[in-house]
Amino acid sequence: LAKTTQPISMDSYEGQEVNITCSHNNIATNDYITWYQQFPSQGPRFIIQGYKTKVTNEVASLFIPADRKSSTLSLPRVSLSDTAVYYCLVGDNDDYKLSFGAGTTVTVRA
Amino acid sequence: EAGVTQFPSHSVIEKGQTVTLRCDPISGHDNLYWYRRVMGKEIKFLLHFVKESKQDESGMPNNRFLAERTGGTYSTLKVQPAELEDSGVYFCASSQERRRTRPTEAFFGQGTRLTVV
Repeated sequence: LAKTTQPISMDSYEGQEVNITCSHNNIATNDYITWYQQFPSQGPRFIIQGYKTKVTNEVASLFIPADRKSSTLSLPRVSLSDTAVYYCLVGDNDDYKLSFGAGTTVTVRA
Repeated sequence: EAGVTQFPSHSVIEKGQTVTLRCDPISGHDNLYWYRRVMGKEIKFLLHFVKESKQDESGMPNNRFLAERTGGTYSTLKVQPAELEDSGVYFCASSQERRRTRPTEAFFGQGTRLTVV
């Protein structure tokens, strides 16, 4: 499994855009990049997955440069309820053992 | 559609006692996983079922932990006897069958917070 590095924490204010960058220098050809979100007292929740370029859904956008050695999760116009831990995971379809790491704790303030 | 449900949500037991955690996966999901987070640590994989078969139990800490999935539906994780270091949050997750290329999304329950005193 490719190792990932992401910031431990980020602070933001309501209405701002939050961008979390994850480094994965050893990403393999078949690896995808997946982000999970975990609210306090809940289990992780899948939010977005991508292989290259840009992916957007109703929750977030994921930007992946051509070399795929990093990726950026973008949360548009955050609200207090977006306060959570965000995990960047890298792996292929055989990697059923999810490796969560420490994640990035995003705190949104009013 | 119901999500992954875990019972109980909290459990406080004394050292040496036995505790059984239950997980009901999403209907139709053959893959079932157990994970746990102990205090101050990262979420770690414990084991993986495909239907009723254990595919990988490499993350199980020791033989005090026993997981079962009779009939390929719900699963139980028994800790016997419990030790202080077993305290933490135990998560269950389920997923559909493996995809041809991209990783399968895992759906997690809310977790069971186990406290051993």
